[in-house]
Amino acid sequence: DAGVIQSPRHEVTEMGQEVTLRCKPISGHDYLFWYRQTMMRGLELLIYFNNNVPIDDSGMPEDRFSAKMPNASFSTLKIQPSEPRDSAVYFCASTGLGETQYFGPGTRLLVL
Amino acid sequence: KQEVTQIPAALSVPEGENLVLNCSFTDSAIYNLQWFRQDPGKGLTSLLLIQSSQREQTSGRLNASLDKSSGRSTLYIAASQPGDSATYLCAVSSWDSNYQLIWGAGTKLIIKP
Repeated sequence: DAGVIQSPRHEVTEMGQEVTLRCKPISGHDYLFWYRQTMMRGLELLIYFNNNVPIDDSGMPEDRFSAKMPNASFSTLKIQPSEPRDSAVYFCASTGLGETQYFGPGTRLLVL
Repeated sequence: KQEVTQIPAALSVPEGENLVLNCSFTDSAIYNLQWFRQDPGKGLTSLLLIQSSQREQTSGRLNASLDKSSGRSTLYIAASQPGDSATYLCAVSSWDSNYQLIWGAGTKLIIKP
């Protein structure tokens, strides 16, 4: 298995632009998580899905953030409009219930 | 509300030493506890998962223990090597948090050759 796949690996954009991050979970996993990691705040859970349904989005910082999971093999995290304070590493992870979470390599986002 | 604390925040030891990383949590009603490793600029890799009914798990030179009653877990690394240098994160899940992981801030470990 290729593991959790994220794209792009790096993204540099200007303030106000739309950013879309993509994730392909491990096949057979029915939970998918989006995290954000910064030096100041550490690892933060943004939202997670179970069987493609959003379960808890209380970590999504603002309405500028949205996430979708149209099918079991694909999820997106969108920021519109982006702001410099959104600069961080965004991780996607997947798991089955009671199992460990498998993380993707992350997307390093820089908003200028 | 569950809180997870890791002490120390950073640790530097000479190669070959045995060492212990600590993790504490405030609510003992956990489902499982996990230890992860993160290398600079990389994602997180799961090291060990301990179910709430277990006391310890071992993988190679790593041994993780769990004491739910005291809200503590330790990660023991035997015969440390420079390749063990990384940040180690502890995370717990519980039934009342819908199994999502609550994370510690991590311990940055440096093994000096």
